[in-house]
Amino acid sequence: QVQLVESGGGVVQPGRSLRLSCAASGFTFSSYAMHWVRQAPGKGLEWVAVISYDGSNKYYADSVKGRFTISRDNSKNTLYLQMNSLRAEDTAVYYCARDARLGYCTNGVCYTLDYWGQGTLVTVSS
Amino acid sequence: DIQMTQSPSSLSASVGDRVTITCRASQSISSYLNWYQQKPGKAPKLLIYAASSLQSGVPSRFSGSGSGTDFTLTISSLQPEDFATYYCQQSYSTPPLFGQGTRLEIK
Repeated sequence: QVQLVESGGGVVQPGRSLRLSCAASGFTFSSYAMHWVRQAPGKGLEWVAVISYDGSNKYYADSVKGRFTISRDNSKNTLYLQMNSLRAEDTAVYYCARDARLGYCTNGVCYTLDYWGQGTLVTVSS
Repeated sequence: DIQMTQSPSSLSASVGDRVTITCRASQSISSYLNWYQQKPGKAPKLLIYAASSLQSGVPSRFSGSGSGTDFTLTISSLQPEDFATYYCQQSYSTPPLFGQGTRLEIK
């Protein structure tokens, strides 16, 4: 069965960096685009970034562009999110999610998310 | 960016009720609209994709409709496990924004 397990969250000071990981299993990881989505405490869902199946295309929310980098290692079935220059407003649960390859697709990304991890909490605080 | 607006923001209903949640896009997104369910402390779950297609394993009491800018999620007969927060999301363009959510509570 499809399983996504995030790790790497924790408490970090403003301006510092953190790298999240998402270990995937139960499907052919190298065939699917992957997303990061976050949710601030008590708030709604905010899409963060996506990477195509082969890593050739990456897209970001304006709120993280230039600070966050999405990447993947298909040999390790792992997705990453490098977060630099962290701000208090980046505090959230971060979910990785699989792109379902459904609906309108462009550049290898379809933006329907069919499997989600359990999330990892990032708290940015001094 | 294509903005998504859900209504209502919260809703109280009873087991067995028929419930409808609406989602409006700021411009036409054809049928590229998804619905997710999220329970407290859990990850979201895909319910409906492409406006009206039921995701595998999702009960048939859930249905979706609409195209262009106006969409609805309907639960035909509420069950206790359906009390949760529901989000729409457009999958037509980047960024794939979510609606603000509709919290469905027990009356």
